[in-house]
Amino acid sequence: DQQVKQNSPSLSVQEGRISILNCDYTNSMFDYFLWYKKYPAEGPTFLISISSIKDKNEDGRFTVFLNKSAKHLSLHIVPSQPGDSAVYFCAASVAGGFKTIFGAGTRLFVKA
Amino acid sequence: NAGVMQNPRHLVRRRGQEARLRCSPMKGHSHVYWYRQLPEEGLKFMVYLQKENIIDESGMPKERFSAEFPKEGPSILRIQQVVRGDSAAYFCASSPGLNNEQFFGPGTRLTVL
Repeated sequence: DQQVKQNSPSLSVQEGRISILNCDYTNSMFDYFLWYKKYPAEGPTFLISISSIKDKNEDGRFTVFLNKSAKHLSLHIVPSQPGDSAVYFCAASVAGGFKTIFGAGTRLFVKA
Repeated sequence: NAGVMQNPRHLVRRRGQEARLRCSPMKGHSHVYWYRQLPEEGLKFMVYLQKENIIDESGMPKERFSAEFPKEGPSILRIQQVVRGDSAAYFCASSPGLNNEQFFGPGTRLTVL
């Protein structure tokens, strides 16, 4: 039972363009969402988060959008850089809960 | 402030042996989480611990797997009588509290021959 789904296993984008990574969730109790970035042979690193009381959170080149009615969130990276090439995990949790549920990840390739 | 530390980074075991994976959380973090990542899959939650207490182990297989986070020392994930299917990357994360982002260690890659 995949509660957090990232349906695109990979995405290829030209340097300077926008990268859009998508994530869908099924559990309406989730109210805190995070994006992590992972390079090979390293652990995931936290990128950006959003609470369900917001629909947008921005941090530099990274913006996360949340559509609660559609149970959908997306991560926008603009402009994309070759160093952004990594696997991006979407994650969700319930306030006061213990588990963070991760999606399967999307591998982003940014071509120079 | 050192990050989350895991050792060993790579561990090779033969079927039937025991694997012990260690995790030292970031300074000041009392919440520890263990995840497993199988090839081409996402991170699967295994267990959440606070000092000396297992809070949620719903993601841990019922047999052969155990975890602890003693008052002193690192958190340990122990896998007894390993089988080939246990081969995976095991990540530990820590946080200062609930509803905070988790900081991940570099992982331990377990290979069972």
